[in-house]
Amino acid sequence: GAGVSQSPSNKVTEKGKDVELRCDPISGHTALYWYRQRLGQGLEFLIYFQGNSAPDKSGLPSDRFSAERTGESVSTLTIQRTQQEDSAVYLCASSLEWPGLESQYFGPGTRLLVL
Amino acid sequence: QKEVEQNSGPLSVPEGAIASLNCTYSDRGSQSFFWYRQYSGKSPELIMSIYSNGDKEDGRFTAQLNKASQYVSLLIRDSQPSDSATYLCAVHYGGNQFYFGTGTSLTVIP
Repeated sequence: GAGVSQSPSNKVTEKGKDVELRCDPISGHTALYWYRQRLGQGLEFLIYFQGNSAPDKSGLPSDRFSAERTGESVSTLTIQRTQQEDSAVYLCASSLEWPGLESQYFGPGTRLLVL
Repeated sequence: QKEVEQNSGPLSVPEGAIASLNCTYSDRGSQSFFWYRQYSGKSPELIMSIYSNGDKEDGRFTAQLNKASQYVSLLIRDSQPSDSATYLCAVHYGGNQFYFGTGTSLTVIP
């Protein structure tokens, strides 16, 4: 079946603009993660959704970052008033169950460049 | 602060040799440990998981865990050029978060 998809694959924006990144998880996957990966760095946890439970937002770096997910479907990550340090690859992962130890599947990522 | 440390490399080994990748973690409460492979420009893919002290083998890959020393390693036997990638160590402490190291870049020289 289809894997995790993300759009856009690449995004170039100007400092101060808002951007919206989209993640389509694998159908039936209840858990969804967003990560940020800066160049040459590991993955940085941003936010976690599990079904209809309140999301775990503990990894969001500032109030400029927000994310939504409706039920077990699409998620969007929004970055307001983008800064150059927001430039990174934003990865989404979904899994069938919590916490997805063995089944966390990653999307291809969105490469964000803030000029 | 929960930390996961890896030598960034690059690590170069000749084809057919054993590649040894190491990872240390800061929190003794860590429960689960994972190795991901990430090819350049691609997303990570899970290759090994380990939960108990000792060795776990899967094909050419062996994960080794020593909780007393807070150390987890990945051995790749008979290394192939296709193994050239960045290997990420990840640790799960029981909550929602996975903590990732910065990765070790491996190059297998034909």
